[in-house]
Amino acid sequence: DTEVTQTPKHLVMGMTNKKSLKCEQHMGHRAMYWYKQKAKKPPELMFVYSYEKLSINESVPSRFSPECPNSSLLNLHLHALQPEDSALYLCASSQMGVGPGNEKLFFGSGTQLSVL
Amino acid sequence: GQNIDQPTEMTATEGAIVQINCTYQTSGFNGLFWYQQHAGEAPTFLSYNVLDGLEEKGRFSSFLSRSKGYSYLLLKELQMKDSASYLCAVKADSWGKLQFGAGTQVVVTP
Repeated sequence: DTEVTQTPKHLVMGMTNKKSLKCEQHMGHRAMYWYKQKAKKPPELMFVYSYEKLSINESVPSRFSPECPNSSLLNLHLHALQPEDSALYLCASSQMGVGPGNEKLFFGSGTQLSVL
Repeated sequence: GQNIDQPTEMTATEGAIVQINCTYQTSGFNGLFWYQQHAGEAPTFLSYNVLDGLEEKGRFSSFLSRSKGYSYLLLKELQMKDSASYLCAVKADSWGKLQFGAGTQVVVTP
């Protein structure tokens, strides 16, 4: 299994709603990531988890709250979002440790989020 | 700061060859990746270079010159399905933290 699975594929929410994005992988990867991608722009790193601990937070607003319940799952909790937060949210995973290309990212197909 | 530059768009004919250039200026260097992304889909890994030289993988090849801060992705025998955005990404410092270029949209015409 070389897939990263994200749900839901599409999400529309109001600015007062609370929702969660989910990501799952069964490749034994111990690093998991959230990226945000606006149309025709490159992915921007939001968070990195290694061994289920948050290791990088790229100064993301607190209305985005990541959670890593176990080594296979990664969630992104959303609350009080703004319309400018509308984007494609990509989850990714990778191996860790030495060796060339170990940091190769496997991406999920993303959640297209619209905030109204 | 970090800077990764690649052309915005390139057009080529089916069966032809296209070369996508990427130049980078980063605080460190621990490898360069190329990803392909079709509209509305996830990026998929194409190649990885950490040492100077050419890496060949079927119809796709990638080249790196660390001294020049330069890489290219070469797509041969273009097919219609190769129409996509191609992202150059540099691993500048800590593991997993890739810095992406803005992407090059390749349009393959019949």
